[in-house]
Amino acid sequence: DTGVSQDPRHKITKRGQNVTFRCDPISEHNRLYWYRQTLGQGPEFLTYFQNEAQLEKSRLLSDRFSAERPKGSFSTLEIQRTEQGDSAMYLCASSPRDRGYEQYFGPGTRLTVT
Amino acid sequence: AQTVTQSQPEMSVQEAETVTLSCTYDTSENNYYLFWYKQPPSRQMILVIRQEAYKQQNATENRFSVNFQKAAKSFSLKISDSQLGDTAMYFCASNTGTASKLTFGTGTRLQVTL
Repeated sequence: DTGVSQDPRHKITKRGQNVTFRCDPISEHNRLYWYRQTLGQGPEFLTYFQNEAQLEKSRLLSDRFSAERPKGSFSTLEIQRTEQGDSAMYLCASSPRDRGYEQYFGPGTRLTVT
Repeated sequence: AQTVTQSQPEMSVQEAETVTLSCTYDTSENNYYLFWYKQPPSRQMILVIRQEAYKQQNATENRFSVNFQKAAKSFSLKISDSQLGDTAMYFCASNTGTASKLTFGTGTRLQVTL
């Protein structure tokens, strides 16, 4: 059973560019979460999917951020017109149907906006 | 809204000794879960231990155990027989049950020394 995978692991981009991250959850996990972690802080919730439905979005998720999970499997997080304040680690987590309270995290995508 | 507080930014323990990490939380929910996650320098977040609020018995996973004081809203992690591989950031987190976002504390950096 493979864990949650994220791609890319690192991304360096110039301010104003668009970036897209991908998350592949653990097989058959129906829930998928995105978090953002800045240096020295705990992860902060961004958004959550159950199957293909996006059920909750944080106020942190400005209109420059969009997330999709088109077939209820992998998910993408896109940031448009990146700003230096978007520099962070973006973490994805998934949870199984029968233990929805447990979340298993991927290795994260580290974004640096220059 | 839930809040999680970790008041120890850094701790150090010698190999084979025991260390306790503190966490307090606040919630208005009756049904919730508490977690300790470990984030080694490689940054992959790993679930260490889980406690259901409705259970009075403290959770134990091998060398890891918790002291759950519901009335005091306290949830500390005890690591026995500390090993060098326990060196990591430790995050206390809570959620309000199935399919719910995690709220994290700011973390405690634990260094295990020889």
